[in-house]
Amino acid sequence: AQTVTQSQPEMSVQEAETVTLSCTYDTSENNYYLFWYKQPPSRQMILVIRQEAYKQQNATENRFSVNFQKAAKSFSLKISDSQLGDTAMYFCAFMKQRSNYQLIWGAGTKLIIKP
Amino acid sequence: EAGVVQSPRYKIIEKKQPVAFWCNPISGHNTLYWYLQNLGQGPELLIRYENEEAVDDSQLPKDRFSAERLKGVDSTLKIQPAELGDSAVYLCASSLEKGPTDTGELFFGEGSRLTVL
Repeated sequence: AQTVTQSQPEMSVQEAETVTLSCTYDTSENNYYLFWYKQPPSRQMILVIRQEAYKQQNATENRFSVNFQKAAKSFSLKISDSQLGDTAMYFCAFMKQRSNYQLIWGAGTKLIIKP
Repeated sequence: EAGVVQSPRYKIIEKKQPVAFWCNPISGHNTLYWYLQNLGQGPELLIRYENEEAVDDSQLPKDRFSAERLKGVDSTLKIQPAELGDSAVYLCASSLEKGPTDTGELFFGEGSRLTVL
């Protein structure tokens, strides 16, 4: 069975700093998706970034980028030039591609950006 | 385009009372999910619909929880009777799966926070 582990329950950094959130997963699959979702205090979960396992190039979305290490089963999220609006819970999630679309979620990391 | 709409946002009830949550997914999204989220934890899937068919309800406590998605659009999640341990946020999400734009992305509503006293 697949599992997703986020080892940092809470992190805090100063505004404008760079922060990296860690995520590791366990699977025997070769093709899959990985996601980082953000859940601000208002509670609506939104997608930050996604990575397809067959792609070697790390995904980037503006200030957000991932370090995808398939062999190590690691999928960390880097937030550059952090902003107050980045304060949220961040969840890492795994989905088997072309399967039953079931998402396996990590427990989340609470990120606090301090002014 | 409107996102996933859920109601009510907040609900406080006495234990043993019934409660219902409603979800309207993004137009055209064929797949709808109900998740339960406890404070400080990740979402836990309760049920997934493809159109009007419940394709994964293995985690739904069927003795007290029920769900329906008539006509494959709106969905309702019901708890009867509610217990103290049901206090949580109930999230609805939708996605467009098995199509040319299939990205695996889920779109979430703001959730319904239930407090059982």
